[in-house]
Amino acid sequence: DARVTQTPRHKVTEMGQEVTMRCQPILGHNTVFWYRQTMMQGLELLAYFRNRAPLDDSGMPKDRFSAEMPDATLATLKIQPSEPRDSAVYFCASGPRPDTQYFGPGTRLTVL
Amino acid sequence: GQQVMQIPQYQHVQEGEDFTTYCNSSTTLSNIQWYKQRPGGHPVFLIQLVKSGEVKKQKRLTFQFGEAKKNSSLHITATQTTDVGTYFCAGVKSGGYQKVTFGTGTKLQVIP
Repeated sequence: DARVTQTPRHKVTEMGQEVTMRCQPILGHNTVFWYRQTMMQGLELLAYFRNRAPLDDSGMPKDRFSAEMPDATLATLKIQPSEPRDSAVYFCASGPRPDTQYFGPGTRLTVL
Repeated sequence: GQQVMQIPQYQHVQEGEDFTTYCNSSTTLSNIQWYKQRPGGHPVFLIQLVKSGEVKKQKRLTFQFGEAKKNSSLHITATQTTDVGTYFCAGVKSGGYQKVTFGTGTKLQVIP
């Protein structure tokens, strides 16, 4: 049963530190998404890739966040420097099309 | 920008009662999807609706897409404790690169 995998599952870090989250999409899926979920803001789209090219990162704070797909099996989301307000669950999702997304288990980030 | 609102935000029901959540988009959609997120879990794709007025059923769940393709509903008949979770709709706006916008979600609690 193919699944999206994310590492790490949990991350606790101090303010100012760099955080890197990784995602392995389902093989053959050409769309990849990064979402952030908080109680207050719900599910926010941060970045959207199709065929490894970024199509939309308008939801991502550009000064500290960056998202890349170095190859078809890896998507990364970096935060540098991290701030307490970045504490959230970060989900990666992949799909054969944007309208059918399979979510990973998420990375729960706590920035102290 | 496109907005997708869901009502109610929260719903508590007695086990065995019916439940409905409504999804409203500020723009016409090409299609809509529904996802379920269990507490502590990740969103899981349930279904996609494409045609105006379309109705689909999955056991006790009935999904409907409005005639104008701007709203949708999810109805659960005779809720069970396994139905607990947050239900999200996600709309794909017509045109462009198929941007998916998630709704605000409805959190369902079922009281045994």
